[in-house]
Amino acid sequence: KNEVEQSPQNLTAQEGEFITINCSYSVGISALHWLQQHPGGGIVSLFMLSSGKKKHGRLIATINIQEKHSSLHITASHPRDSAVYICAAPPFGNEKLTFGTGTRLTIIP
Amino acid sequence: NAGVMQNPRHLVRRRGQEARLRCSPMKGHSHVYWYRQLPEEGLKFMVYLQKENIIDESGMPKERFSAEFPKEGPSILRIQQVVRGDSAAYFCASSGTGSNTDTQYFGPGTRLTVL
Repeated sequence: KNEVEQSPQNLTAQEGEFITINCSYSVGISALHWLQQHPGGGIVSLFMLSSGKKKHGRLIATINIQEKHSSLHITASHPRDSAVYICAAPPFGNEKLTFGTGTRLTIIP
Repeated sequence: NAGVMQNPRHLVRRRGQEARLRCSPMKGHSHVYWYRQLPEEGLKFMVYLQKENIIDESGMPKERFSAEFPKEGPSILRIQQVVRGDSAAYFCASSGTGSNTDTQYFGPGTRLTVL
């Protein structure tokens, strides 16, 4: 069983819809990362959070440390948001990231 | 302020040849991580280095793979005697402190194809 699980694996939505991607982890962590991998393959770090909520533009990330769960939300989704979204966590006392399998998001115009 | 740079972006090798992948971290960063993404699979940790030191190589295959991060110059991931199963995207990331609450900045990746 992967230490970091994501759902759904694939998500297709219409432009403008509110998107939620979920991430659960089984290890103790001090922070969780959300990454975006573009269709061309490049990876961008979106958020690193250890508690509460962070917002950047139309993207919102939340984390509940007690429940070992994080969500990434996209408001007013746009076709350019189409990408693979990956959550990743470094276990306590460790710097290396353990990655979820990713959620492939497709936004249809 | 250049980000993390990797070269080459695409590398084609025949079975048995050597592959050298280079990673230049962001300016001021001394912590480098290498990750591998096999086709249709997720990212997997390979190795974590600081200048002149390998900190964690628990994700490196036991044979044919090596990594270094010299005092001067880029970090190098070296794969000897490549096999078809080595075909993958190899990403490096860098951070400033190595803390597990520090953001890692990713390079564009090197896509290795073994014929």
